Amino acid sequence: QKEVEQDPGPLSVPEGAIVSLNCTYSNSAFQYFMWYRQYSRKGPELLMYTYSSGNKEDGRFTAQVDKSSKYISLFIRDSQPSDSATYLCAMSLYNFNKFYFGSGTKLNVKP
Amino acid sequence: DVKVTQSSRYLVKRTGEKVFLECVQDMDHENMFWYRQDPGLGLRLIYFSYDVKMKEKGDIPEGYSVSREKKERFSLILESASTNQTSMYLCASSAPGGGYTFGSGTRLTVV
Repeated sequence: QKEVEQDPGPLSVPEGAIVSLNCTYSNSAFQYFMWYRQYSRKGPELLMYTYSSGNKEDGRFTAQVDKSSKYISLFIRDSQPSDSATYLCAMSLYNFNKFYFGSGTKLNVKP
Repeated sequence: DVKVTQSSRYLVKRTGEKVFLECVQDMDHENMFWYRQDPGLGLRLIYFSYDVKMKEKGDIPEGYSVSREKKERFSLILESASTNQTSMYLCASSAPGGGYTFGSGTRLTVV
């Protein structure tokens, strides 16, 4: 079983839709949870990160962590064509030195 | 902004060649990492380093070695390139307690 599971998609939505991206994980010791966005032919860029459980909001993006269910989500409100990318979740133990990545969900936002 | 620079965007090498992939970061980060990214498999950690001259094996180190002679530079070496090493290679760096900053990646094709 992989440490981190993520539906590869692709997920196709119309512009303006609310997008929900999700990951599940098996290791209850994970403390730090991150979302990266990767455009085609580019390296991933850090979008958001949270520590332990709870929600974090940044503009149109909300990251949610449910440690009891071992489930994390990224919500994108009012999605734009520029949000079309692959979204990777990542998580880390207490020491933050090594990350475990999901395989990424490809999102396509249609104008 | 932290910059992680990978020396080549695209490389084509022959089977059996020794291949060097270079990565330089400009923010004095202690931690540096090499990943490969393949469709359906996500990011897989090859090697990482917490300090100069230190290295640790990741999940898939076979066929690879690394060198970190200076803090800002982390090199990945394919001792004898094989076709199954055709992949996107991503370098990343981080400070303790911080998320990764990735380079733009090197797409390596071994023929």
